[in-house]
Amino acid sequence: RKEVEQDPGPFNVPEGATVAFNCTYSNSASQSFFWYRQDCRKEPKLLMSVYSSGNEDGRFTAQLNRASQYISLLIRDSKLSDSATYLCVVSDNAGNMLTFGGGTRLMVKP
Amino acid sequence: NAGVTQTPKFQVLKTGQSMTLQCAQDMNHNSMYWYRQDPGMGLRLIYYSASEGTTDKGEVPNGYNVSRLNKREFSLRLESAAPSQTSVYFCASSVGTETQYFGPGTRLLVL
Repeated sequence: RKEVEQDPGPFNVPEGATVAFNCTYSNSASQSFFWYRQDCRKEPKLLMSVYSSGNEDGRFTAQLNRASQYISLLIRDSKLSDSATYLCVVSDNAGNMLTFGGGTRLMVKP
Repeated sequence: NAGVTQTPKFQVLKTGQSMTLQCAQDMNHNSMYWYRQDPGMGLRLIYYSASEGTTDKGEVPNGYNVSRLNKREFSLRLESAAPSQTSVYFCASSVGTETQYFGPGTRLLVL
C-alpha cells in the first residue's frame, strides 16, 4: 500500500464548476499535511497547508480528518488557470521528511 | 532572489557514465533535498540534508551520492548511470521541515 494515495484522474470539469479531490495516508503519526500544485513540466509549489480545523484560501478549502486519515481539497468556481496536477503531501512523525502522493490531474475546460 | 537553481536543465548520458547535478539556494535555508519524479510514482526522496554538514538517505538512495558543500549548495552524483535513473530530478530547500521550495528540475535521460 502506498503511503499517500490519490486518484490520478484526470478530472475534466467546465469553468465555474466545483471539484473535490481526496487523499488518504497510511502513517497515523504524520504531523503535517499540505497540498502542492504542479503545472505541466514545472516544479511543485505549495498551494496550502492543511490544518485540523480546516482552512480556506479564496476559492480553495482544505480539510483534514485524522481519524480516517483522509485529506481533501475543494476548488470552487474553477478557472482555466486551475488546470494542473494537485499533490497531496504528508510529513513523517518526526516532521523530517515529506511523502508525496502521485497527484491528481485537473483539467478545466471552457 | 533566484530561489532554488539547478544545473543542468537537461542531460543525456550513456549507461555507465557519471555526472553531478548541482543545486543552490539563496534563501538561507537549513534543509535541502533531492527528489526524483517518475510518471505515476510521484516525487520520491533520494537524500536530504537537515543542516550543513549532515546528509541522510531518503526512500530511494541506491545509485546516488550527495554532498552538502556549504549552506547554499547540495549536489547529487550518479557514479555509474543506469537506464532506471532516467527521470526528472528536483532539488528543494526549506527553513525547517515545513514548506519546501523547489528548483526547476533537471531532466535526465540515460541510454
